[in-house]
Amino acid sequence: AQKITQTQPGMFVQEKEAVTLDCTYDTSDPSYGLFWYKQPSSGEMIFLIYQGSYDQQNATEGRYSLNFQKARKSANLVISASQLGDSAMYFCAMREGGGAQKLVFGQGTRLTINP
Amino acid sequence: KAGVTQTPRYLIKTRGQQVTLSCSPISGHRSVSWYQQTPGQGLQFLFEYFSETQRNKGNFPGRFSGRQFSNSRSEMNVSTLELGDSALYLCASSLGGDTSYEQYFGPGTRLTVT
Repeated sequence: AQKITQTQPGMFVQEKEAVTLDCTYDTSDPSYGLFWYKQPSSGEMIFLIYQGSYDQQNATEGRYSLNFQKARKSANLVISASQLGDSAMYFCAMREGGGAQKLVFGQGTRLTINP
Repeated sequence: KAGVTQTPRYLIKTRGQQVTLSCSPISGHRSVSWYQQTPGQGLQFLFEYFSETQRNKGNFPGRFSGRQFSNSRSEMNVSTLELGDSALYLCASSLGGDTSYEQYFGPGTRLTVT
């Protein structure tokens, strides 16, 4: 069965520092996708970045990058030069292959950026 | 391009009542998925509809049902509401094919059952 683990319930970081949010996953499907979403206090889930299991390079989107270590089954999110607006809940999620759009989410990490 | 819209945004219902939530996907998206978010259980997948057919279903009781219309808009219904159904209900839309990966979420409907 699919499983996503986020071991950091909360993190506090100084503004402008880089931050790494941890995510490990478990699946027996060789084809899968890994996602990171940001959820501000308003509740909306904002798509940040995606990594496919067959992608050779780590995904990057602006200040976000995904440190994908397939053998270790980890997909950590790195935010460079953090900003006050980055304060939010962050969720790691996985979708197995086959086209179905079911996402399995981790428990989330609450990130707080201090000025 | 307009994003995913959900109506209503907030809802208060009494135990035993039923409720219908609506989700309009991004234009051109054929897949709509529904999720329940609670402080205790986190984000859990309810079901996915693709081209008016339920393609996948999570582990929820039969009180939770849904449907999708020909314009891809989807509704979710919860009958005989229980206090534990209080949650943020999120829907997500995507193109739905094997190679599509981006799922865009709506703002959610916050349901309170009293």
